[in-house]
Amino acid sequence: RKEVEQDPGPFNVPEGATVAFNCTYSNSASQSFFWYRQDCRKEPKLLMSVYSSGNEDGRFTAQLNRASQYISLLIRDSKLSDSATYLCVVNMDNYGQNFVFGPGTRLSVLP
Amino acid sequence: NAGVMQNPRHLVRRRGQEARLRCSPMKGHSHVYWYRQLPEEGLKFMVYLQKENIIDESGMPKERFSAEFPKEGPSILRIQQVVRGDSAAYFCASSLNPVAGNQPQHFGDGTRLSIL
Repeated sequence: RKEVEQDPGPFNVPEGATVAFNCTYSNSASQSFFWYRQDCRKEPKLLMSVYSSGNEDGRFTAQLNRASQYISLLIRDSKLSDSATYLCVVNMDNYGQNFVFGPGTRLSVLP
Repeated sequence: NAGVMQNPRHLVRRRGQEARLRCSPMKGHSHVYWYRQLPEEGLKFMVYLQKENIIDESGMPKERFSAEFPKEGPSILRIQQVVRGDSAAYFCASSLNPVAGNQPQHFGDGTRLSIL
């Protein structure tokens, strides 16, 4: 089983749609969780950290379910500029060695 | 710009030459990570360094690749006797001490290495 798995995608959605991505991780002792986005041929950029209580930043909402070992990202009212690959990232032990990136889910928002 | 600085942005080498990629971490960060990304593929961890120490190099090929993060100056990823398969984007990231918890990595723009 891979350490971090994501919806395979790609997701093709119209502008204004709501889209949700899921991510599962294998290590129940994992401590920190993040969502990054990566545009084509660019570097990954931190989108948001994921806290146990869940967190929201504008149109983006992240949730963490420790019992089921999954993380979700919800994008509301999607924009063309949201088109990117979304990477789920899990720091498995907070010691730096186990900062694991998921394979990514590609999103295309269509006009 | 106080972000992670990588140079060069693009590097072209012929087979058999050496490639040196440099990374200056974000101000205040002493933890550096190198990743490789092939076209249409995900990020692959290569090596994790702190100042003057290699913490984890489990993702780095045993031959031809080396990395350092000296007390002064940038981190260097060195590839000797490059081959066509080394063509990729190489990203560097830095963070604060991850033991502190919830410390994300911040990425540089990457170096695109092309081997002729």
